[in-house]
Amino acid sequence: AQKVTQAQTEISVVEKEDVTLDCVYETRDTTYYLFWYKQPPSGELVFLIRRNSFDEQNEISGRYSWNFQKSTSSFNFTITASQVVDSAVYFCALSEDDRYTGANSKLTFGKGITLSVRP
Amino acid sequence: GAVVSQHPSWVICKSGTSVKIECRSLDFQATTMFWYRQFPKQSLMLMATSNEGSKATYEQGVEKDKFLINHASLTLSTLTVTSAHPEDSSFYICSARDGGLASLTDTQYFGPGTRLTVL
Repeated sequence: AQKVTQAQTEISVVEKEDVTLDCVYETRDTTYYLFWYKQPPSGELVFLIRRNSFDEQNEISGRYSWNFQKSTSSFNFTITASQVVDSAVYFCALSEDDRYTGANSKLTFGKGITLSVRP
Repeated sequence: GAVVSQHPSWVICKSGTSVKIECRSLDFQATTMFWYRQFPKQSLMLMATSNEGSKATYEQGVEKDKFLINHASLTLSTLTVTSAHPEDSSFYICSARDGGLASLTDTQYFGPGTRLTVL
């Protein structure tokens, strides 16, 4: 069974600080996909990134960067120079390929991390 | 691209009535849609997986007669909460998967959610 652990529940930082959100996953499959979603107070989940298990390259997108380490089963998310608009709940999620259809199966979400960025 | 809409965004109803929530993929075809439920300060709980033209697959513990799901077209899925009670009050979120069996491009995109309050 797959599992996603986001050990941090709430993080509070001051604007312009860097912050790292941790995500550790468990899966028995060799082919899987990892995601990060942002849920601002409005409630809508915003897709941030998808990474497949064969691509361990780290990725940077503006102030966001992701560190995928298969050896430690982690997919951590760093926000550089945080801003008030980054305040939200951040979810890490995992999906595996359906072994019959080859399509992604359902997502397993972590419990989420509430990030508060103070001015 | 990859926009998912939900209607209504919020609804208040009396106990015993039924409520229908629509989920639409606006700029892509979604063979699979998912329905989630989220309680305050908690993670998303998958309720069911909806495949176009076939019966939905419900997660363990979710009453299929209470939460009716219809996925009549590639862009529309509906969730009907029948005989709603106060304990059904929650935030309901749908997602649509962009892509069929081509798992390399599959990502779930989420709607803005529907807040249901049952009096």
